[in-house]
Amino acid sequence: DAGVIQSPRHEVTEMGQEVTLRCKPISGHDYLFWYRQTMMRGLELLIYFNNNVPIDDSGMPEDRFSAKMPNASFSTLKIQPSEPRDSAVYFCASTEGTGIYEQYFGPGTRLTVT
Amino acid sequence: AQSVAQPEDQVNVAEGNPLTVKCTYSVSGNPYLFWYVQYPNRGLQFLLKYITGDNLVKGSYGFEAEFNKSQTSFHLKKPSALVSDSALYFCAVRDITTTGFQKLVFGTGTRLLVSP
Repeated sequence: DAGVIQSPRHEVTEMGQEVTLRCKPISGHDYLFWYRQTMMRGLELLIYFNNNVPIDDSGMPEDRFSAKMPNASFSTLKIQPSEPRDSAVYFCASTEGTGIYEQYFGPGTRLTVT
Repeated sequence: AQSVAQPEDQVNVAEGNPLTVKCTYSVSGNPYLFWYVQYPNRGLQFLLKYITGDNLVKGSYGFEAEFNKSQTSFHLKKPSALVSDSALYFCAVRDITTTGFQKLVFGTGTRLLVSP
């Protein structure tokens, strides 16, 4: 299995631009998580899905952030408009229901907003 | 809310020596505890978990962790460190959201540096 795939791996954009991060979970996994990692705040859970349905989005920082999962093999995290404080590494992770705590993380997308 | 604390930002150890990465927890009820490792430019990888049973939990790559209820600790250990163990280690605890769903709450991470 290829593991969790994220794209792009690096993204540099200017403040005010729209940013879309993409994730392909491991086939057969029914949970998908989006995390953000920064030096200041550590690793934060933003949102997670179960069977393509958003379950808990209490970690989404602002209305500028939105996430979708149109099908079992694809999810997006969008930031519109982006701000410099959104600069971070964004991870996607997936797992199956019986092993919800054993999450498989993608390599991350390093976002820099200038 | 449940939480974990990793008191050390960095741990230095010589190759071949035993290593310990510390974690303490604060939970209501029975704790579900986990360790993950992050190698440079990679996502986190699951190492081991404690949910119930033996206080000594064995995981991947020769790591183990000891659950100590009286000290509310879950320290990660390895008898003999390798240079390749150098990475960022995260302790995590299960939390249950206000809507009744489960999620992991991660500590701030401890950087392990193993010198040759």
